[in-house]
Amino acid sequence: DQQVKQNSPSLSVQEGRISILNCDYTNSMFDYFLWYKKYPAEGPTFLISISSIKDKNEDGRFTVFLNKSAKHLSLHIVPSQPGDSAVYFCAAKGEYSGAGSYQLTFGKGTKLSVIP
Amino acid sequence: NAGVTQTPKFRILKIGQSMTLQCAQDMNHNYMYWYRQDPGMGLKLIYYSVGAGITDKGEVPNGYNVSRSTTEDFPLRLELAAPSQTSVYFCASSGQGGTGELFFGEGSRLTVL
Repeated sequence: DQQVKQNSPSLSVQEGRISILNCDYTNSMFDYFLWYKKYPAEGPTFLISISSIKDKNEDGRFTVFLNKSAKHLSLHIVPSQPGDSAVYFCAAKGEYSGAGSYQLTFGKGTKLSVIP
Repeated sequence: NAGVTQTPKFRILKIGQSMTLQCAQDMNHNYMYWYRQDPGMGLKLIYYSVGAGITDKGEVPNGYNVSRSTTEDFPLRLELAAPSQTSVYFCASSGQGGTGELFFGEGSRLTVL
């Protein structure tokens, strides 16, 4: 039972164009969403996040949009660069899970390839 | 700036063997986590800790044990290794604040044959 879904395993985009990575979730209790980027043989690194009280957050070339009614978020990368080629994971933070912490639920990831 | 350090990076085990994956962080973070990532899948939480002496189970804890004797270290113990434990293991840490931003190690690739 996937609560966070990234339905596109891969995406190819030309350098300079926009990359749009999508993520859907089913749990309406999720209150914070994050995107992580992962290069081969490295651990994931935090990219950008958004609170459920907002519908947009921007950081340089990266913008995350949240549509709560549709339970959908997307990551836009403009312009795309070859160095952006990586696997992107969508993650959601749920309610307090006790013992003073919380848990993140991750999607399966989307592999982005930016073609020079 | 070491961040989160995991050892070993690669290991091959035989069925039934045991081993410990080491994890250390130098950011003075209270929260530490162990995730596993199977091919084509997202990260799944195995165990987590909110501070020295306090640990709790995540989504997939069976076959694993953890301990947290210091703030810096959070080893993951595999007892009686099984092929189903073949995976890439990531250790992560975070500070207090509840934003969910985790700092990950580079991962440990484990194969059980």
